[in-house]
Amino acid sequence: GEDVEQSLFLSVREGDSSVINCTYTDSSSTYLYWYKQEPGAGLQLLTYIFSNMDMKQDQRLTVLLNKKDKHLSLRIADTQTGDSAIYFCAEDMDTGRRALTFGSGTRLQVQP
Amino acid sequence: EPEVTQTPSHQVTQMGQEVILRCVPISNHLYFYWYRQILGQKVEFLVSFYNNEISEKSEIFDDQFSVERPDGSNFTLKIRSTKLEDSAMYFCASSPGTGSTGELFFGEGSRLTVL
Repeated sequence: GEDVEQSLFLSVREGDSSVINCTYTDSSSTYLYWYKQEPGAGLQLLTYIFSNMDMKQDQRLTVLLNKKDKHLSLRIADTQTGDSAIYFCAEDMDTGRRALTFGSGTRLQVQP
Repeated sequence: EPEVTQTPSHQVTQMGQEVILRCVPISNHLYFYWYRQILGQKVEFLVSFYNNEISEKSEIFDDQFSVERPDGSNFTLKIRSTKLEDSAMYFCASSPGTGSTGELFFGEGSRLTVL
């Protein structure tokens, strides 16, 4: 079945770039997503990428997709303390049914 | 900005009791979902709902679970006889119709604690 894997923890200093990595197994995924979860809050969609794209940039966020290696990354430029959260990678199981498979999440800690 | 709202934010129940978690999806959305996140674990898909019927469900969504859209605005998840392992954060989500990117809009979650 589908599986999405992420490293569990990343610590960076304020102002540095953060890169969060994700690998997935379902090559038929149409969209891949990055969600952010702050403590006690729900899941907030940060950005997504269509599977026929290699890169997508949205302000401080850059998503890179290597479809051959089934590898997705999220780069946050100029990381701020407010970026501290858990970041989930997700792939759609089947766009017709619109259900997502989530990774276990990467906890990003930004040190001042 | 429209949002998905969930109630209650936290519910504590005794094992074997029935629980109903409520959600109000975004009003013009057509697809509705329940996910759950056991503490420290992945967010797991439970069920998707479209056109007043279940369109897909996971292995977790067994006969103890049911969903309903009773009045055209609320979307509920019922657990008939709760077990200790049902303790989790339950997230409701909704999504616009076909032609969208498939983005899911999540509520803030309902934390269920089964004692």
